[in-house]
Amino acid sequence: DIQMTQSPSSLSASVGDRVTITCRASQSISNYLNWYQQKPGKAPKLLIYAASSLQSGVPPRFSGSGSGTDFTLTISSLQPEDFATYYCQQSYSTLPLTFGGGTKVEIK
Amino acid sequence: EVQLVQSGAEVKAPGESLKISCKGSGYSFIDYWIGWVRQMPGKGLEWMGIIYPGDSDTKYSPSFQGQVTISGDKSISTAYLQWSSLKASDTALYYCVRTLKYSSGYYKGFDYWGQGTLVTVSS
Repeated sequence: DIQMTQSPSSLSASVGDRVTITCRASQSISNYLNWYQQKPGKAPKLLIYAASSLQSGVPPRFSGSGSGTDFTLTISSLQPEDFATYYCQQSYSTLPLTFGGGTKVEIK
Repeated sequence: EVQLVQSGAEVKAPGESLKISCKGSGYSFIDYWIGWVRQMPGKGLEWMGIIYPGDSDTKYSPSFQGQVTISGDKSISTAYLQWSSLKASDTALYYCVRTLKYSSGYYKGFDYWGQGTLVTVSS
C-alpha cells in the first residue's frame, strides 16, 4: 500500500494568515493527489484534484502543488469558514486509494 | 443536480447482518465508479472499496477484503455495502462517493459524497 503522511496534524492560525499543509507519499504517485476539506458533522468536500486543479466552485485562495512524493495545499488568506480538517488522498492506480491522517486547522 | 442519497442510520447487535444503500441521481450512474469510505468516531477517512456499476467490477482495500461486500444495481442506480456478521468495531459513519477512472487507469478525486450512514453496533 502507498502510505500518505500529512504534516502538521494540527495548526493554529488567524484569519488572514497564509496556511500551508504538506503531504508526502511513500512512493511516487505522479500528480494523482487530491485534497479534501471536512467540517464537523459534514461530509468531506473535494477542493483540489490532480495535485493542482481547483474543483469547480472552490475559492481561488485554495491552491495545490507538487508531484512525485511531495505535495502542498496552501490557503492564501485564511477565512473564518476555512477552519476545518483537511485530508490528502492518493488516487494512483495502485489500490487502495489511501488518505492521509488529516490536518486540523484551528483558530488562534 | 448530482446527488448521492444514503439510507438512514442503523443500530444493530453484534453478529447481525446489514446492508446499507447509496442511490445516485442527476448523472449517468453507469459512467462513474462508486466507492465507500469509513470514518470511525473522532478518526480520519479510510477507503474501503469501489464498484463500477456498468459491469459490477469491484475492488477492495486489503483492510476490508472479506469483511464487507460491495454490490450495485444499475437498474435502480443504487450501490450497496453489506456485512454478514457485524462487530462492535464496525461502529462508524460510512460515506459513499463518486469518482471517474481515467483512460490511463488512474482515478480522479471523489467529487460527490453521500450524506453518510451512521452504523452503531452494540449489545
